[in-house]
Amino acid sequence: EAQVTQNPRYLITVTGKKLTVTCSQNMNHEYMSWYRQDPGLGLRQIYYSMNVEVTDKGDVPEGYKVSRKEKRNFPLILESPSPNQTSLYFCASSFTRLAASTDTQYFGPGTRLTVL
Amino acid sequence: DQQVKQNSPSLSVQEGRISILNCDYTNSMFDYFLWYKKYPAEGPTFLISISSIKDKNEDGRFTVFLNKSAKHLSLHIVPSQPGDSAVYFCAASAVGSDDKIIFGKGTRLHILP
Repeated sequence: EAQVTQNPRYLITVTGKKLTVTCSQNMNHEYMSWYRQDPGLGLRQIYYSMNVEVTDKGDVPEGYKVSRKEKRNFPLILESPSPNQTSLYFCASSFTRLAASTDTQYFGPGTRLTVL
Repeated sequence: DQQVKQNSPSLSVQEGRISILNCDYTNSMFDYFLWYKKYPAEGPTFLISISSIKDKNEDGRFTVFLNKSAKHLSLHIVPSQPGDSAVYFCAASAVGSDDKIIFGKGTRLHILP
């Protein structure tokens, strides 16, 4: 089954404790991205990756890091989480960035993160 | 500045009737528009898209209309069904520019029995 998986689905942590949210897709997609969804703000892109070892900042990259060592995985790293990073996070993938812009991205189920 | 606006946070429609979800945009460079549907505890799923060279795109019960002069698009669902109750996100992109996709805040649609 074609899918994007994220782990964990729910996480409560404390300020400053490094964490990683994993994302994996099994569709051989080149393009992957991370979004956060906040009430009243919709979906905002954090980082994206056009292919292995190619990553770039989205609209709200501050406080986040990513890596793309393998095509299928795109982990989101919070080195020192803060309460303003409490949010619902979605990983997404598509064949290309153009495909994401004109057709469809496949989204993971989301990770709800609470930073105390 | 919000480039993609969904001004109705929620909408309630009787089952069997037409649901119309609206979206306005400000950036005239946008040339692709997409609608995503999201159920609770799930990620958004792609619904339908339209290129700026068209003014209408239809897929089953879903039709998207684009009015470029008004910078407005709408999603029509006919007839509305209980399974259509979800949050709908409008999104826009400027292909050939930076391909960046901008999402609206979403509209929660309630289909009433």
